[in-house]
Amino acid sequence: QQQVKQSPQSLIVQKGGISIINCAYENTAFDYFPWYQQFPGKGPALLIAIRPDVSEKKEGRFTISFNKSAKQFSLHIMDSQPGDSATYFCAAGNSGGGADGLTFGKGTHLIIQP
Amino acid sequence: ETGVTQSPTHLIKTRGQQVTLRCSSQSGHNTVSWYQQALGQGPQFIFQYYREEENGRGNFPPRFSGLQFPNYSSELNVNALELDDSALYLCASSLGLAGGTSTDTQYFGPGTRLTVL
Repeated sequence: QQQVKQSPQSLIVQKGGISIINCAYENTAFDYFPWYQQFPGKGPALLIAIRPDVSEKKEGRFTISFNKSAKQFSLHIMDSQPGDSATYFCAAGNSGGGADGLTFGKGTHLIIQP
Repeated sequence: ETGVTQSPTHLIKTRGQQVTLRCSSQSGHNTVSWYQQALGQGPQFIFQYYREEENGRGNFPPRFSGLQFPNYSSELNVNALELDDSALYLCASSLGLAGGTSTDTQYFGPGTRLTVL
């Protein structure tokens, strides 16, 4: 049972554009929603995370938008750069991961064209 | 402050063998979680150790087992290897609290690439 659905599977954006990746979850017990960035041959690195008490969180060029009623959240990358080319994973968990771990989406392969 | 480290980087085994993977958690973290990441997929939760006890487990068979040591480093053991066990195995450390909650983010190591032939 896939509890976190991520789309699109792949995305091509021009340099300077906005990259948008969407995720939807099913388990209403989730209260922690991180985004991870992964480069080939490396482990996932935390990008930004949000909890349901806020609807938006911004850190630099990265913004998470969260819609609790729709059980959806998204990552926006502003002014996308070629160095942002990587695979992005959304995840969900209870209080930072907790004893049930994090549930990950299947990933979005992002390519930023120069 | 050192990050999460894993060893070995790569490993090749044959079907039916046993393997042990190792992880050193980030300084100050008392919780280690293990994930399996198949090619082209997101990581899947295997289990979590908090203060040397298994604290939670995902949908993996008993031939996947683990240990956590007093210094909070950890091992993942897989017995009777199958071809489908070929994957990147990731370790993540965090600061956990009693009761299975966590106040901190999970920080991932670089992973061990396991190939089963």
